[in-house]
Amino acid sequence: GENVEQHPSTLSVQEGDSAVIKCTYSDSASNYFPWYKQELGKRPQLIIDIRSNVGEKKDQRIAVTLNKTAKHFSLHITETQPEDSAVYFCAAASNSNSGYALNFGKGTSLLVTP
Amino acid sequence: ETGVTQSPTHLIKTRGQQVTLRCSSQSGHNTVSWYQQALGQGPQFIFQYYREEENGRGNFPPRFSGLQFPNYSSELNVNALELDDSALYLCASSSLAGGYTGELFFGEGSRLTVL
Repeated sequence: GENVEQHPSTLSVQEGDSAVIKCTYSDSASNYFPWYKQELGKRPQLIIDIRSNVGEKKDQRIAVTLNKTAKHFSLHITETQPEDSAVYFCAAASNSNSGYALNFGKGTSLLVTP
Repeated sequence: ETGVTQSPTHLIKTRGQQVTLRCSSQSGHNTVSWYQQALGQGPQFIFQYYREEENGRGNFPPRFSGLQFPNYSSELNVNALELDDSALYLCASSSLAGGYTGELFFGEGSRLTVL
């Protein structure tokens, strides 16, 4: 089955700096790669996703890149703000008529200090 | 708000007991997935329901079972509870159409403690 590795497990940055979180996956059939943000005691919320037919996607301060050959994808957050502090999860899934399961990484705890 | 609601929000059980968790999916969504999130870990896929049938299952034993109702709401049942079943159980709804599943919307979860 799919195995998703996520690094680093913790990340501390100064407000205004950039943060990068990296994930690798094992199943070459995976074609959907979402990123979720989970604040303490809250539900995971989708912040950005990318499908395998594109290499990069950007939404304001957040961007995701995908390298299908190397089987890795990354989340980039620019101009970080204290409210970006949370746990971020990457996931990988293959889409099919029989439904799909998101395989999550173990998470990155991001702390943005003022 | 995403529209996915779960109940109960918190519950405490003892080993060997049975538990039922409930989920109402977001309006317009026909697929419900359940995930188990242990403390400090990423969510793990339990199973998915589409048109009232199990449509995919993760590496969980048969004592984890579920149902989906005609209104697309769902239940997760866990029998013979074990201490390791203590976790946050997340329900997520989505729309499966044309072989592609859209974004998953998660509920706030049900936090189960097994003593």
